[in-house]
Amino acid sequence: ETGVTQTPRHLVMGMTNKKSLKCEQHLGHNAMYWYKQSAKKPLELMFVYSLEERVENNSVPSRFSPECPNSSHLFLHLHTLQPEDSALYLCASSQGSSLGTQYFGPGTRLLVL
Amino acid sequence: ILNVEQSPQSLHVQEGDSTNFTCSFPSSNFYALHWYRWETAKSPEALFVMTLNGDEKKKGRISATLNTKEGYSYLYIKGSQPEDSATYLCAFDPGNQFYFGTGTSLTVIP
Repeated sequence: ETGVTQTPRHLVMGMTNKKSLKCEQHLGHNAMYWYKQSAKKPLELMFVYSLEERVENNSVPSRFSPECPNSSHLFLHLHTLQPEDSALYLCASSQGSSLGTQYFGPGTRLLVL
Repeated sequence: ILNVEQSPQSLHVQEGDSTNFTCSFPSSNFYALHWYRWETAKSPEALFVMTLNGDEKKKGRISATLNTKEGYSYLYIKGSQPEDSATYLCAFDPGNQFYFGTGTSLTVIP
């Protein structure tokens, strides 16, 4: 157990649905991240929050909308996704947004039909 | 986009064999290099953070070395066991974000 949980673990949604992914960390960290892993590709950073403020947005389409209401919780709101958005979405947290080891959740496997 | 390469892509070894794999990264703007172990359906687990050229880290039968001048790190597993079967990821950290390789998938055959 890394101290980072994600729900749901699996999600199937249609292109017109709206859904949210949830991440919670129990480590007292102050930075949280969303990553995407598509098949045969490396983990790609999507969003970084440090002290609940977004500090990095790697040109992610607006159909992905992050929310960080406090330092322990991170959400990824999904709407009108495309089939190519099917991937594994991983959340991570760290103490500080640089140098610190990132601790990962187990991911949400998303399938967009 | 920074290029981080891991080789080989996959590896099958017999139980008891020792093995090693490589992570190559840019030799400029180095801040840290991270190794993770990722079992299927579980969270990636941090193994090592390496920051200094010539660093060697060890955790049980797993060890890692770092050469920042030439931009590579080796991960070694001595006497592989079936429970070592996992994907091993490296992440290059220039100080602002992690850049991951695609991983080396290790299967240890009993």
